[in-house]
Parts: sequence; structure tokens; C-alpha cells
Amino acid sequence: EAGVAQSPRYKIIEKRQSVAFWCNPISGHATLYWYQQILGQGPKLLIQFQNNGVVDDSQLPKDRFSAERLKGVDSTLKIQPAKLEDSAVYLCASTRDRIGYEQYFGPGTRLTVT
Amino acid sequence: AQSVTQLDSHVSVSEGTPVLLRCNYSSSYSPSLFWYVQHPNKGLQLLLKYTSAATLVKGINGFEAEFKKSETSFHLTKPSAHMSDAAEYFCVVADSGGGADGLTFGKGTHLIIQP
Repeated sequence: EAGVAQSPRYKIIEKRQSVAFWCNPISGHATLYWYQQILGQGPKLLIQFQNNGVVDDSQLPKDRFSAERLKGVDSTLKIQPAKLEDSAVYLCASTRDRIGYEQYFGPGTRLTVT
Repeated sequence: AQSVTQLDSHVSVSEGTPVLLRCNYSSSYSPSLFWYVQHPNKGLQLLLKYTSAATLVKGINGFEAEFKKSETSFHLTKPSAHMSDAAEYFCVVADSGGGADGLTFGKGTHLIIQP
């Protein structure tokens, strides 16, 4: 089966600009996650969707980050305006359901904010 | 609250020698524990997972890990390192049974394989 797809793979923007990332999970996977991985650290969960509803967004900086999963399939993560500290790899993962299933990760989008 | 401590940021071994990557966890509930591997410019891949069944867990590529509740440890081992094992390894904990929710990652251990 096809894996988790993400685009773009790389993005360079200036601070205060906006940026959007796209994720297409594995077909049939109800749960979708966005993680932020800063260089030298492990991934940190930003937001978790179950179908098109939000399960957990407690670590999402809501003043500048937003995410949506329309129709319970694809998802977009947006940053507006970006700050230097947002430079990171943004990972998308999906799983068939919330409990007892492996999370499958996409290749990530590497964001550099200058 | 749950947390994970990976005790070594870098581990260097010679090809053909054993690998030991150390991980300690803290969890309020019976945890689910995982090891993920991340090769350069590739996505995270699950190596193995513990979800309250056998304490010795076998994973892919010859890796295994042992859950020790008394020591709150979940160390990753492999009898003989291969050059292709060079990568970043993450120990991960989840509080919920089965563990797809609320994953907490460690900071990672960079495994270097010397020829």
C-alpha cells in the first residue's frame, strides 16, 4: 500500500510570512497526527485528528498554527506568521485507529525560517 | 505525566559487535513502549513495540528490547551491528493501552557504526 505522502519536502521562508503543509494519509486510516521535530530533538505532537475531528491540540500554538482535516482524509497545517523558532521538520503520521495500531510516518517537510 | 530518557545521545560500535541503546521511562499507568528508527531523509519506522504481553520483544532487522518494570527500562539491543543500522533511534512511551494516542518521544540516540 502507498505510504503517507507529504508536500512540499522543503520550504524556505522569511519570518512573518505564512506557509502551509499538506499530508495525505494511508487510505483507510482514521487517525492523523502532525508532529514538529526540531533539530536534535524527538518529534513533538502538535495535533491529532480522528476522522475530521480534533482529539488533541493541547501543544499546538494556536496563535499562529492552524490545522484542518476536511472530509477526514487529507490534512493541511498552516503557520501564520512564521517565527525563526518554527524552523523544524514537520511530520505527518497516520494509523488505522487510535488504539493498538502502529503509526506510519511520512518523510516530513523541512521548514527553514530566515 | 509520561516521559522518556534516552541515556546516550551518541553510541559508536564496530561492525559485527553488539549494540545497546538505553532507555528509561516514566509513566502513571501501564505503558506501551516503542522503538522507532529514522534514517537520514527518511520517515520514522517502527522497530518494535511492547504492549503488556511478553517482556522480551523481538523487532525487525534483528533488534529486540526487554521491558523491565522494576528498573523502568526498555533497552534496545542487537547481537551484531551492520553498517545499515547507522541511524537515529527514538524510544517512545504511550500511557493508553495499545498506544496510538499521546506518544512521547525521547530525544534520540545517534548510532554510529565503525567499519
